[in-house]
Amino acid sequence: AQTVTQSQPEMSVQEAETVTLSCTYDTSESDYYLFWYKQPPSRQMILVIRQEAYKQQNATENRFSVNFQKAAKSFSLKISDSQLGDAAMYFCAYRSVLLTGTASKLTFGTGTRLQVTL
Amino acid sequence: DVKVTQSSRYLVKRTGEKVFLECVQDMDHENMFWYRQDPGLGLRLIYFSYDVKMKEKGDIPEGYSVSREKKERFSLILESASTNQTSMYLCASSLPQEQSHEQYFGPGTRLTVT
Repeated sequence: AQTVTQSQPEMSVQEAETVTLSCTYDTSESDYYLFWYKQPPSRQMILVIRQEAYKQQNATENRFSVNFQKAAKSFSLKISDSQLGDAAMYFCAYRSVLLTGTASKLTFGTGTRLQVTL
Repeated sequence: DVKVTQSSRYLVKRTGEKVFLECVQDMDHENMFWYRQDPGLGLRLIYFSYDVKMKEKGDIPEGYSVSREKKERFSLILESASTNQTSMYLCASSLPQEQSHEQYFGPGTRLTVT
């Protein structure tokens, strides 16, 4: 079974600064998807960024980028030019590429609460 | 825009009551999921459905059942609510596995069982 670990329960960053959230995972599969989801106080889970394991290039979405290290099974999220609206719980998640049943589920880490200060 | 709605944002029930949590999606997605979110545990899958009347147990199905009579609606049922089922419940939907690069989530139902 796959596991996802987020070792930072809470992080804080000043507005306009850069912060990196850590995520490691364990799997025996060679191909899979990795995601970062954001959950603001409104509780609506929003996809931030997605990485396909077979792609060596790190995914980027505007101010959000990842550092995907497949051999180390590490998938960190970097937020540049942090904004007050970035304050939220961030979840790292794993999904298998297998097409059977609950293999399509997301396996989540425990989350990192990001605080953005002025 | 994909929209996943859940029938209640907050719900308070008594121990032993039968509880229905409803989820509706408007994007004709085949897959629907019920997750439970608890502090320090992240989200855990309760049940999954890949078609009408088709379901599979997730990681923590004990004490729950589900119903999917129509493609757009997926219900989570607590047959006899207990205090340890006090939690946040999130519904999600996605396209079939071969296309499902993303799951779309509802706003969650915070259930308190007293």
